[in-house]
Amino acid sequence: AQSVAQPEDQVNVAEGNPLTVKCTYSVSGNPYLFWYVQYPNRGLQFLLKYITGDNLVKGSYGFEAEFNKSQTSFHLKKPSALVSDSALYFCAVRDRIGGSGNTPLVFGKGTRLSVIA
Amino acid sequence: GAVVSQHPSWVICKSGTSVKIECRSLDFQATTMFWYRQFPKQSLMLMATSNEGSKATYEQGVEKDKFLINHASLTLSTLTVTSAHPEDSSFYICSARNRFDGYTFGSGTRLTVV
Repeated sequence: AQSVAQPEDQVNVAEGNPLTVKCTYSVSGNPYLFWYVQYPNRGLQFLLKYITGDNLVKGSYGFEAEFNKSQTSFHLKKPSALVSDSALYFCAVRDRIGGSGNTPLVFGKGTRLSVIA
Repeated sequence: GAVVSQHPSWVICKSGTSVKIECRSLDFQATTMFWYRQFPKQSLMLMATSNEGSKATYEQGVEKDKFLINHASLTLSTLTVTSAHPEDSSFYICSARNRFDGYTFGSGTRLTVV
């Protein structure tokens, strides 16, 4: 079974400081990994994904994430946080083996990021 | 890019009535649509997977007679909450596979049953 763990319910960071939102995953094979952001009463916006290739993935709005197979992690990072980055962040995974168009994503519980001016 | 339009954005209904939520893929064909439910400050829980022209597959614990899913075309999937009760109040989100970034999400529907 696939699962995603986001160990932090809340992350607080000062504006201009680097931020990290943690994610670890569990799949039976190789993973497809995603990060999404959600603003209040809105759907999910895609930030970035890891499918294969370079372990460092760059995405929207200056975010990046590093795939670490040995640690089964896919932490989201940004060098300099903005107040407008304050939102709810979800990590998601899909098992590549046997996956198809009918395979949904499995989400972590989400991490609320607050960037303080 | 791929866009999924979800309507309504919010709806308030009386207990016992039914509510229909629509998700349309605007610029691509959505063979498969996933329906999620999100409780306050919690993650997205998969309710069901709908495939165009066939019956939806429901996750364990989800009442298929209460949450009716129809996927009659490649661009439209609907979720109908029948005989709604206050405990059905939640945020419902649809998601479709796309060939760009993988999955496209609707903007969500806030359902409040009073």
